[in-house]
Amino acid sequence: NAGVTQTPKFQVLKTGQSMTLQCAQDMNHNSMYWYRQDPGMGLRLIYYSASEGTTDKGEVPNGYNVSRLNKREFSLRLESAAPSQTSVYFCASSEGGGRGTDTQYFGPGTRLTVL
Amino acid sequence: GDSVTQMEGPVTLSEEAFLTINCTYTATGYPSLFWYVQYPGEGLQLLLKATKADDKGSNKGFEATYRKETTSFHLEKGSVQVSDSAVYFCALSPYTGGFKTIFGAGTRLFVKA
Repeated sequence: NAGVTQTPKFQVLKTGQSMTLQCAQDMNHNSMYWYRQDPGMGLRLIYYSASEGTTDKGEVPNGYNVSRLNKREFSLRLESAAPSQTSVYFCASSEGGGRGTDTQYFGPGTRLTVL
Repeated sequence: GDSVTQMEGPVTLSEEAFLTINCTYTATGYPSLFWYVQYPGEGLQLLLKATKADDKGSNKGFEATYRKETTSFHLEKGSVQVSDSAVYFCALSPYTGGFKTIFGAGTRLFVKA
């Protein structure tokens, strides 16, 4: 039981390049999330998917797009990377249903540097 | 809007010392409250949670009590170990539910042998 997996673990991009971060969960969870973690700022929600087939913006969606490919997979795309997108990116999942009591399960993160 | 404030770190303690990490929140109604822990090089994982006022969450010797009157959810442990060195995040999920958990900035804990 792998939980939440993310690829790649590390990535270096040049300004203007594009890339997709992959995330998959094997817990049959309905909801999935993408966060970025910056020093001193905690985690900020980029996008989330309440259930398969739906996606919604979080707190900091500009410069990103997402795809909920199926129930297991939720990808994050940077179309034209900028230095301000240098961060650690975490994918998470939860059982869903919009209950505030849900625990989120996190992947190991992707450390992205944009030069 | 809803928010979480936790004490700035780093916090440095000797092994077997008592730990308190303060967390206060601003929210309407009765949010659910969480403590997540992030060990070096890993993602966050749930440490404990409380879903209503006066509930006490506990796990691995850590405890936190949901205090509605002081809007607080302070994390405590009676005797820390070197293996407790990590970053601790306080978080809340709004009363109305939904999908937008709000995280504090995190508090880094160093425990010395």
